[in-house]
This record gives sequence, C-alpha cells and structure tokens, in this order.
Amino acid sequence: QKEVEQDPGPLSVPEGAIVSLNCTYSNSAFQYFMWYRQYSRKGPELLMYTYSSGNKEDGRFTAQVDKSSKYISLFIRDSQPSDSATYLCAMSELNNAGNMLTFGGGTRLMVKP
Amino acid sequence: EAQVTQNPRYLITVTGKKLTVTCSQNMNHEYMSWYRQDPGLGLRQIYYSMNVEVTDKGDVPEGYKVSRKEKRNFPLILESPSPNQTSLYFCASSLLQGWNSPLHFGNGTRLTVT
Repeated sequence: QKEVEQDPGPLSVPEGAIVSLNCTYSNSAFQYFMWYRQYSRKGPELLMYTYSSGNKEDGRFTAQVDKSSKYISLFIRDSQPSDSATYLCAMSELNNAGNMLTFGGGTRLMVKP
Repeated sequence: EAQVTQNPRYLITVTGKKLTVTCSQNMNHEYMSWYRQDPGLGLRQIYYSMNVEVTDKGDVPEGYKVSRKEKRNFPLILESPSPNQTSLYFCASSLLQGWNSPLHFGNGTRLTVT
C-alpha cells in the first residue's frame, strides 16, 4: 500500500462547479500538508500548505485536513478552465531531514467551458 | 526572472551511455533536489543537497549521482542508464530546507532509455 493515495482521475467538471480533490495517507507522522498544481509540460507549483487540522482558505481554494481520519482535501469554488491541471498532494513529517516530501500520484482535473 | 532551468527538455539515449542533466537556479537557494515522476507513483526524490558540497540520498537514489560544486548548479548524472530510468525528471530548489520553504520546480526533462 502506498503511503499517500490519490485518485488519478481524470475528473471532468463544467465551468463554475465546485471541485473536491482528495488524498488519504497511512503515516500518522505526517504533520504538514501541501497541494501542488502542475500544468501540462510544466513543473509543479505550490498552491497551498497547512500544518493543522481544519480549513485554510485562499481565494477560490480551500484546503482541509482531518488528521484523525488521515484525509486531506482541496476544494475549488467557481472552477475555471484555467484550473485544468494535475493536482498533487504532498506531505511531510515534523522532523524532516532533507525536506523530503511524500507525494500522491496526482489527480488530473479538466474544467470544461 | 526567478527560475529553475533544466536542460535538456527531452533526451533519448541507449542503455549504458553516460548522460548528465543540468539544473541551475538563479534565486540563491541553499536547497536543491532531484525528483522523478512516473505515472501513478507521483514524485519521488532521488537526491538532495542542503548546500555546496553537501548531498544526500532520497527515496530512489540507485543508478544516479549528483554533485553540488556551486550553489546555483546541481547536475544529475546517470553513469550507465537503463530502461527503468525512463521517466520525467524534475529539479527543484528552495530558499531553506524545511516544509514551509516552498519548492520551485524546473519544467522537467523527459528521458527515454532504449
């Protein structure tokens, strides 16, 4: 079993929809959680990060962490075609030598006009 | 423009022929790292460097070498490439080592080993 599981999709939604992207993990030592967005033929870019359970909001994006269930989510409100990309969750332990992140496999999102 | 530059973007080679993928960053970042990305497996760390002349293994270091002679450059060396090293490779850098120092990625090098 992989440490971090993420549905690969593709997830296809109409413009304006609310999108929910999710990851589950098995390592209870993970304390820090990140979402990266990767456009086609580009490197990933950091979207959001959080280190506590609960919600963190940034514009149309909300990151949610439930450590008790080992489950994290990224919600995108009023989705736009420009949100079409692969979304990668990433996690890190508290005492993190080498900045080692454990990534999920990524979910490909397509927002149709 | 602040960026991480990898070269080449695409590379096709044959088994056993040594190759180097270059990585350079212009942000004066201390930390640099190499990842490979394979379908369904996400990004896996190959090697990282916390500063000049300081390198260490990541999750999947076998078959790879790195060096950090200068702060801005972090080349990835495959001494004897094999087909299982066919992958998409990303170099990344961050100001500091730590979860809250965002990683800046290059645009990737797609390597095919036949």
